[in-house]
Amino acid sequence: GAVVSQHPSWVICKSGTSVKIECRSLDFQATTMFWYRQFPKQSLMLMATSNEGSKATYEQGVEKDKFLINHASLTLSTLTVTSAHPEDSSFYICSARGGNGNTIYFGEGSWLTVV
Amino acid sequence: GDSVTQMEGPVTLSEEAFLTINCTYTATGYPSLFWYVQYPGEGLQLLLKATKADDKGSNKGFEATYRKETTSFHLEKGSVQVSDSAVYFCALSAREYGNKLVFGAGTILRVKS
Repeated sequence: GAVVSQHPSWVICKSGTSVKIECRSLDFQATTMFWYRQFPKQSLMLMATSNEGSKATYEQGVEKDKFLINHASLTLSTLTVTSAHPEDSSFYICSARGGNGNTIYFGEGSWLTVV
Repeated sequence: GDSVTQMEGPVTLSEEAFLTINCTYTATGYPSLFWYVQYPGEGLQLLLKATKADDKGSNKGFEATYRKETTSFHLEKGSVQVSDSAVYFCALSAREYGNKLVFGAGTILRVKS
């Protein structure tokens, strides 16, 4: 079946540095990918919708200059957390809309800890 | 805006026990409702869904009925197994919001043998 893979699963970075998280659709082309974040005991919050070849659409309250999203190909979207701070520590998860346009597949998620 | 509220976990059950995870929603329109499951180390997977009132979604022994009058979509299973241990997310999507998924906080289920 369709698989979406995220990398890395865990990352620890120093405050002030940038970190990139990749989201790949392994056996289908994903024209649309979504990025979420989740704080402990809270809901998955949609951060942005990423369409291949165009700029991402960010949800209200999400800083587009801090969370850079690139969807350069039909199988890869990246989320870069720039100048990371401890409050950016969170669980980030991506999803991709499948080839039939109706099914959404999720990645395993990436834990980011900023120290 | 639309929102989803789930019972707080973790829920710990013995094998073969009856499971209920409560989910209620707030929506201005008529959303579709979903349950997703995330097993350890894996991505979220769609478990079941219902697209209109009184629909019952079912899969792998799990069931949930779309109750418009109580705005609920509670997840049930008659006899849980250790392999059901996972995080369960209730979610909705509505056309008014571009069919974006709105998730609950997730409920951890632990099943002991």
